[in-house]
Amino acid sequence: AQSVTQLGSHVSVSEGALVLLRCNYSSSVPPYLFWYVQYPNQGLQLLLKYTSAATLVKGINGFEAEFKKSETSFHLTKPSAHMSDAAEYFCAVSVSRGGSNYKLTFGKGTLLTVNP
Amino acid sequence: DSGVTQTPKHLITATGQRVTLRCSPRSGDLSVYWYQQSLDQGLQFLIQYYNGEERAKGNILERFSAQQFPDLHSELNLSSLELGDSALYFCASSALALSYNEQFFGPGTRLTVL
Repeated sequence: AQSVTQLGSHVSVSEGALVLLRCNYSSSVPPYLFWYVQYPNQGLQLLLKYTSAATLVKGINGFEAEFKKSETSFHLTKPSAHMSDAAEYFCAVSVSRGGSNYKLTFGKGTLLTVNP
Repeated sequence: DSGVTQTPKHLITATGQRVTLRCSPRSGDLSVYWYQQSLDQGLQFLIQYYNGEERAKGNILERFSAQQFPDLHSELNLSSLELGDSALYFCASSALALSYNEQFFGPGTRLTVL
């Protein structure tokens, strides 16, 4: 079964600083990986996804993530944090079995705080 | 706005009661997923439907059931409610039933069981 571990339930950065949110996955088959963001009192919104094309994936709002198979990681980065980036971020994994879609397995989430 | 709608937004009820949560997927999406989000369990997959048929089951209790109707909207029924069922319930939809398909999430229904 696949799983996701997000290191750090809470990350605090200063405005303009680098954002690094860590995600490690476990999967016995090639995974599809996703980063979602959840703003307060809202649903989840997709930031970016890895589907085995390019290992460096660019998403919305200046975020990107790099798939590293050797490290089983899919860390999310943004060069310069904005106040509007404050939210909870979820890493998720999905695998294909017989062509059918299965559940997204989510990590526990990382709450990002951006300080002025 | 993801295009996925969920009603009601908030629901307060008592233990032992039954409630129904409704979800309308994005126009054209055939697959619907239900998730439960709670502080202790995080985001947990409950069940998936594709074009009216159940496709996958996750950590869904026997007291919970769901269905997808011919017009593709879905309902999640929760019965014999317990305090521990208090959570945010999300519906998501995707175009097909492929692992790399993006799932679009609704705003959620917050259920409070007193």
